[in-house]
Amino acid sequence: AQSVTQLDSQVPVFEEAPVELRCNYSSSVSVYLFWYVQYPNQGLQLLLKYLSGSTLVKGINGFEAEFNKSQTSFHLRKPSVHISDTAEYFCAVSKSFQKLVFGTGTRLLVSP
Amino acid sequence: NAGVTQTPKFRVLKTGQSMTLLCAQDMNHEYMYWYRQDPGMGLRLIHYSVGEGTTAKGEVPDGYNVSRLKKQNFLLGLESAAPSQTSVYFCASSYSGGRFEQYFGPGTRLTVT
Repeated sequence: AQSVTQLDSQVPVFEEAPVELRCNYSSSVSVYLFWYVQYPNQGLQLLLKYLSGSTLVKGINGFEAEFNKSQTSFHLRKPSVHISDTAEYFCAVSKSFQKLVFGTGTRLLVSP
Repeated sequence: NAGVTQTPKFRVLKTGQSMTLLCAQDMNHEYMYWYRQDPGMGLRLIHYSVGEGTTAKGEVPDGYNVSRLKKQNFLLGLESAAPSQTSVYFCASSYSGGRFEQYFGPGTRLTVT
């Protein structure tokens, strides 16, 4: 069974600093990888996804993620964060026609 | 397009009471899902449906039942609520499984006392 590990439960960062949120997955076959964002008191929305092709994926709000098959990682990055990026970020993995498996989430706290 | 809507937004139940959460989507999606979100545990799948009239168990199905009588609606029932079911419940829908994005509702915050 596939699983997702988000090692950092919380990442504090100052505004305009770069950030990386880490995600590792376990699967022996090809997978689809996703990052979802949850703003306070809201549902989740898709930030970006990797299905195939280029390993660098760009998403909304200036975020990007890199798929690394050898390290089974899909880390999320942003070169300069804003206060409005404060949210919880979830990494998720699935296989063909199968269900999403979510990580436990990383809370990004951006302070001025 | 309203997307995915959930009713109610908040609910407080006493132990042993029952209730039904309603999820509706207007995107003609085949797949629908119910998740619960608890601190430090991410989202856990309760039940899901791959089409009208079909349902299947997810990761944490005990204490919940579901029905998908119409394609656009997915109901989650708690027959006898327990304090362990205090959580935030999210409904989601997608065109299909695997590579397809899931669209989430705004959530229902349920407290069982």
